[in-house]
Parts: sequence; C-alpha cells; structure tokens
Amino acid sequence: KAGVTQTPRYLIKTRGQQVTLSCSPISGHRSVSWYQQTPGQGLQFLFEYFSETQRNKGNFPGRFSGRQFSNSRSEMNVSTLELGDSALYLCASRAGVVTEAFFGQGTRLTVV
Amino acid sequence: DAKTTQPNSMESNEEEPVHLPCNHSTISGTDYIHWYRQLPSQGPEYVIHGLTSNVNNRMASLAIAEDRKSSTLILHRATLRDAAVYYCILRGYGGSQGNLIFGKGTKLSVKP
Repeated sequence: KAGVTQTPRYLIKTRGQQVTLSCSPISGHRSVSWYQQTPGQGLQFLFEYFSETQRNKGNFPGRFSGRQFSNSRSEMNVSTLELGDSALYLCASRAGVVTEAFFGQGTRLTVV
Repeated sequence: DAKTTQPNSMESNEEEPVHLPCNHSTISGTDYIHWYRQLPSQGPEYVIHGLTSNVNNRMASLAIAEDRKSSTLILHRATLRDAAVYYCILRGYGGSQGNLIFGKGTKLSVKP
C-alpha cells in the first residue's frame, strides 16, 4: 500500500509570490490534515478536510487555504508569501476518527 | 484540548529499555492517548495508542495509570534508529477530533 505522497519535496519562492502544495493520501483514507513545522513553533495544525469539506481549521491567517478533491487528494495554497512562511509543511491522512494518522515526508518551503 | 507534559530530553544506551513518561492530569473520559515519534528529516510516525488498558505492539508498549492521569511509553530495547522526538498526544471525540495537538515532545538520544 503506497504511503502519503507530498509534492514537491522542496520549493524556493520569493516574498509576495503564492505557492500550491499537493498531498495524495493513502488509498481509502478520506481525511487529510495539514501541519506546519518550524523550529520556533514546532508542529502546528493548519486544517483538516474530510470528503471535500473543511472540518477543522487552526489559527492561521486567511493567506493559508486548502481544498480536497473527490479522489481525496488535497492541495494547500499560501498566497502573498512572507519570510516567516518558510517551514516544513506536512500532510497526514487517516481512515477513521481515532485511528492513527499517516504522515508524508513533507514539503520544505523556503521563502527568500 | 487537554494538555500533556513531557520531559524535554532523555538519554538511553543502546539495547536497554527506555521509559518515556507523559503527564495528562486534565484528560477526559473519552480522550485516547496517542504516541507519535519524528525521526530526523521525516514526518511524524504513529507509535501506539490506548484508552484505559495497557497496549502492546511490535514497536512499543503503552502503560496507562489507573487514574489515566499519566502514561509511559516503553521501548523494550532501544536501538540507534529509535533516536527521535516522541510526542504524547490526547485525542478525543468532538469537533476537533481531526487535530493532533503537538507539544514540544521528548527528544530521545540513544548512545551506542
């Protein structure tokens, strides 16, 4: 069974640009969550999608958005990039409510 | 969400058992105790979870106190590959069930 796949693995963008990150969950998993990891703040929850609907959202500005497609693949978008958006962005998929989350390798975003 | 408290760091020798403690004095009756670990340059990885009874799997054991206000993750024989940050997380039912609230975790170092 293939794991959670995130693309691209590495990305360098300039301040003010926008970026789209992609996540393909494990087959059959309908829940996809996104997290941001930085050295200062650690792992922080961004949002969760289930069956194409955003179910939960963390405390991030509106520049961070996401969506989920009918095949459960998810994308997250960050507009008007700031230097502080440089981070490892992780995607996780789950099969059920209290079952374990499976994480991808992440996308390392650097904003210059 | 109920909080957890873990030591910042612990050291172990290779092939010795490791007991990683976690305090969660405000745990509610429906909160599951989950453990994840994050190896360097990787996304978090599920280790084990439980509700009330002690749990064992191929990776580790989880010992849960009778009052559920604390738990201990047990690695029976530490290997160098077990060097990681270990996160103790409470997950329950309700609106935020999709979130994993990560604390700082415990950084485990394993000496050969």
